[in-house]
Amino acid sequence: AQSVTQLGSHVSVSEGALVLLRCNYSSSVPPYLFWYVQYPNQGLQLLLKYTSAATLVKGINGFEAEFKKSETSFHLTKPSAHMSDAAEYFCAVSDRDSSASKIIFGSGTRLSIRP
Amino acid sequence: DVKVTQSSRYLVKRTGEKVFLECVQDMDHENMFWYRQDPGLGLRLIYFSYDVKMKEKGDIPEGYSVSREKKERFSLILESASTNQTSMYLCASSRLQGQIYTFGSGTRLTVV
Repeated sequence: AQSVTQLGSHVSVSEGALVLLRCNYSSSVPPYLFWYVQYPNQGLQLLLKYTSAATLVKGINGFEAEFKKSETSFHLTKPSAHMSDAAEYFCAVSDRDSSASKIIFGSGTRLSIRP
Repeated sequence: DVKVTQSSRYLVKRTGEKVFLECVQDMDHENMFWYRQDPGLGLRLIYFSYDVKMKEKGDIPEGYSVSREKKERFSLILESASTNQTSMYLCASSRLQGQIYTFGSGTRLTVV
């Protein structure tokens, strides 16, 4: 069965510092991998998606993630944090063979930005 | 832009009431999903549907049912609301073979 594990339910960084949100996945076949962001009082929106092309995926708002098969990881990074990045971030996995496109979400990481 | 609209942002219901949560999407998406979101648990799939009148159980279907009479509308039904169903409910839609979900803004349900 597929699953994702997000390490750290809460991460706090200073404005301008590197953001690193960790995600490890478990899947019997090469999966699709996603990062979604949820701003306060809103639904989730897609940040980026890995589908087996380039292993380094660039997303919106300066975020990127690298697929590392040997480590079963898909960590999210941003070189310089901005106050507007404060939100909850969800890593997710989908079986590429699933016709119903069902996605399994991690438990989320809340990112706080210190001035 | 694809829009997924959930009819209520906040709801307060009494224990034992029958509750309907409505979700409408305007981009002819085949797939629709209902999740509940709880702190520390992330999003858990309740039910999904990949066609009109079709439904599949997700990971936590107990206490819930769904209805999809029209392609654009997917309703979540709590037959007899209980306090442990107090949660944020999120609806999403996607194309049949697509993995990009569009989410609604959520309905925060409180059962008292």
